Amino acid sequence: AQTVTQSQPEMSVQEAETVTLSCTYDTSESDYYLFWYKQPPSRQMILVIRQEAYKQQNATENRFSVNFQKAAKSFSLKISDSQLGDAAMYFCASNNAGNMLTFGGGTRLMVKP
Amino acid sequence: DVKVTQSSRYLVKRTGEKVFLECVQDMDHENMFWYRQDPGLGLRLIYFSYDVKMKEKGDIPEGYSVSREKKERFSLILESASTNQTSMYLCASSLLGAGSQPQHFGDGTRLSIL
Repeated sequence: AQTVTQSQPEMSVQEAETVTLSCTYDTSESDYYLFWYKQPPSRQMILVIRQEAYKQQNATENRFSVNFQKAAKSFSLKISDSQLGDAAMYFCASNNAGNMLTFGGGTRLMVKP
Repeated sequence: DVKVTQSSRYLVKRTGEKVFLECVQDMDHENMFWYRQDPGLGLRLIYFSYDVKMKEKGDIPEGYSVSREKKERFSLILESASTNQTSMYLCASSLLGAGSQPQHFGDGTRLSIL
């Protein structure tokens, strides 16, 4: 069974600064995918970024990037130039070939103006 | 854009009632999922379906059942609602793929069982 752990229930960041959200996972699969999802207050959960485990290069999407350390089973999310609209719950998730996602407990990110 | 629509944003029911939560997606996705979201626990999978009339149990199926009679619609049923089923319920859909396909979520239904 897969497990995903987010050790930071809450984080805060000053607007325009950089913040890193931590995630560790445990899986026995050799082929898997990792995701970060964002859930703004009272709004729909959306995909932020995705990483294929077989790719060594870290995924990036504009201000969002990941630090994928496969041997350490770590998958952190870095948000650069934080904006007020980045305030949300962030969930790390892993997905094996069976299409089922396993989620972490979430990190609430607050952005201070 | 993919649209996943859940029939209710808020729902209040009584203990012992049979409760139906409906979810419809408009992108011809094969996979559909039901999760419950509780603070500190993240999202936990209740059931998923990869085809019409097909279903697989997730991590917490006890007390729930599902129905998928049409590809676009996936219903979650609480056979006899209990107070410990008060939660946020999220529906999602995705293309059939080798684990790589992202899931698209509805807005959620906040269910209160009194």
